[in-house]
Amino acid sequence: SQQGEEDPQALSIQEGENATMNCSYKTSINNLQWYRQNSGRGLVHLILIRSNEREKHSGRLRVTLDTSKKSSSLLITASRAADTASYFCAGLVNDYKLSFGAGTTVTVRA
Amino acid sequence: DVKVTQSSRYLVKRTGEKVFLECVQDMDHENMFWYRQDPGLGLRLIYFSYDVKMKEKGDIPEGYSVSREKKERFSLILESASTNQTSMYLCASSIQNSGNTIYFGEGSWLTVV
Repeated sequence: SQQGEEDPQALSIQEGENATMNCSYKTSINNLQWYRQNSGRGLVHLILIRSNEREKHSGRLRVTLDTSKKSSSLLITASRAADTASYFCAGLVNDYKLSFGAGTTVTVRA
Repeated sequence: DVKVTQSSRYLVKRTGEKVFLECVQDMDHENMFWYRQDPGLGLRLIYFSYDVKMKEKGDIPEGYSVSREKKERFSLILESASTNQTSMYLCASSIQNSGNTIYFGEGSWLTVV
């Protein structure tokens, strides 16, 4: 069963704008991870936030986690055409199992 | 860099055929995974292996089996392919009990006709 549900399903923005996507999950997690997938390719890990963290930054990425609301957000600042991809959140529900959402498709227009 | 290699990028198989999807990782990871990805459904875990010859069912194991004879290799087997198994299959690996990053292969697109 899917753990995460991303919102929105699709997002179209102009280059230079910020992109924000949200993820809600159902059960308790050990950590939450965000992955990126370019069209037709495998997934690439972006960032991990542990259950005892509230916010984390990595370059142009900012992730928040609210365990009371079982939600997370991913912000991409100053977007570029190369950020066009699908983004997935995944909750670690035990030692090994990551449960993925359906993803948000982001299109950055030049 | 970790490399997870899936042997076939694109396959077309007939209904009822036995299909093997092979995956090799080069980082001595204990954990290996097979996911299936379908539009609107995200990634669903088929099987997981935490050691050689060890396996556990994921969320959708029906119609699939796996084999892990060597640490670096994890095979997904469709005993009798059906059209509803047309999908993209993703292999992944990770360090055991790390709770950390999973590394994915590039995916195998399987079409069953």
